[in-house]
Amino acid sequence: QVQLQQWGAGLLKPSETLSLTCAVYGGSFSGYDWSWIRQPPGKGLEWIGEINHSGRTNYNPSLKSRVSISVDPSKKQFSLKVRSATAADTAVYYCARLLTGSYRFDYWGQGTLVTVSS
Amino acid sequence: SYVLTQPPSVSVAPGQTAFITCGGNNIGSKNVHWYQQRPGQAPVLVVYDDSDRPSGIPERFSGSNSGNTATLTISRVGAGDEADYYCQVWDSTHDHQVFGTGTKVTVL
Repeated sequence: QVQLQQWGAGLLKPSETLSLTCAVYGGSFSGYDWSWIRQPPGKGLEWIGEINHSGRTNYNPSLKSRVSISVDPSKKQFSLKVRSATAADTAVYYCARLLTGSYRFDYWGQGTLVTVSS
Repeated sequence: SYVLTQPPSVSVAPGQTAFITCGGNNIGSKNVHWYQQRPGQAPVLVVYDDSDRPSGIPERFSGSNSGNTATLTISRVGAGDEADYYCQVWDSTHDHQVFGTGTKVTVL
């Protein structure tokens, strides 16, 4: 059974860098894309971006200038950084596995609430 | 960019059928996926590729997709189906994932 477990700092000050990591347990790491999705309080889901096992990335253009996603296949982990965080980045952040070809998210992490506040 | 529009809310009596729509330009040409999100939980895939169900999802959940509208149908609705539901597609033009605006299903 595939499980995604994520962690990272839950409270940031404005202008700091948001940093989260997601570890994949069970199943293959290569052959899939690995994504980050966020959800502001009381709002809908927003795709942030994705990375494959070889490091090819694809980002939401609305966040592209501040976001980077990296991967460590040897640890079966991938990470998210969002620079220059503001209150608008306050959200629950999810990592998820993306099935290429179908482009569906079939496994999700538990979510991490990140609050940006002075 | 590609936009997916859902009704903000749908109310349904227990035992009845809920229909949740997802509108997008020529969405019938795309593969549509649906997620259920209960309060405080991560989303769960309930229908993929328009009408297929992942293992463990009840047959009460079904989907269709044609023209400019995709629909998630939940038959014999129960209290456990109260949740937010999101549609999602891959925007092949821009190589981006797109989520719908979300629909809150309330069981009366």
